[in-house]
Amino acid sequence: DAGITQSPRYKITETGRQVTLMCHQTWSHSYMFWYRQDLGHGLRLIYYSAAADITDKGEVPDGYVVSRSKTENFPLTLESATRSQTSVYFCASRQGNQETQYFGPGTRLLVL
Amino acid sequence: AQSVTQLDSQVPVFEEAPVELRCNYSSSVSVYLFWYVQYPNQGLQLLLKYLSGSTLVESINGFEAEFNKSQTSFHLRKPSVHISDTAEYFCAVSPYSGSARQLTFGSGTQLTVLP
Repeated sequence: DAGITQSPRYKITETGRQVTLMCHQTWSHSYMFWYRQDLGHGLRLIYYSAAADITDKGEVPDGYVVSRSKTENFPLTLESATRSQTSVYFCASRQGNQETQYFGPGTRLLVL
Repeated sequence: AQSVTQLDSQVPVFEEAPVELRCNYSSSVSVYLFWYVQYPNQGLQLLLKYLSGSTLVESINGFEAEFNKSQTSFHLRKPSVHISDTAEYFCAVSPYSGSARQLTFGSGTQLTVLP
């Protein structure tokens, strides 16, 4: 299906483990974004990417790593998961000359 | 930098009653304004946006929002709500300039429509 997909949709892991959340979009949008959603905070930007091999930090990047070797994929890695990283993670994309971001369905991550 | 304040975290309202969800923003530069809606266990969907021109913008499902520059507000209204409007609503802004034009979100308003 066309659009933006995230996998897995649900993930339970343990403190200290490495976790990778996947994001894939079929629109060839140049910009991609990772947000985390926590109660009372709305969505906060973790990292974004303007194009393949170009990434930059957002508001809350600590503990996360991103890469973008292909335009359509933007994986987010938690190198050593902590309980404070329990959250819902959303990926989004936007075409370079447009204003609207389009969101994926989200990944619910629980770190025990 | 930008910031967005949604003044009400929860708004309960009876079906067919009017509703207003409030949003105020702060920014040192000109911004675009957005309302996104999140239904339970789903991602965010764009509800409406203000880019320029008429300060009143409408969505296809009866919501409207008015940009008020002097009050730096972008309140969302609907004259008659349905049960299906129950969702969380997020106000967001992004700057005109800059290549990333990152979105800054408010903390969200949970709208619950009661029968």
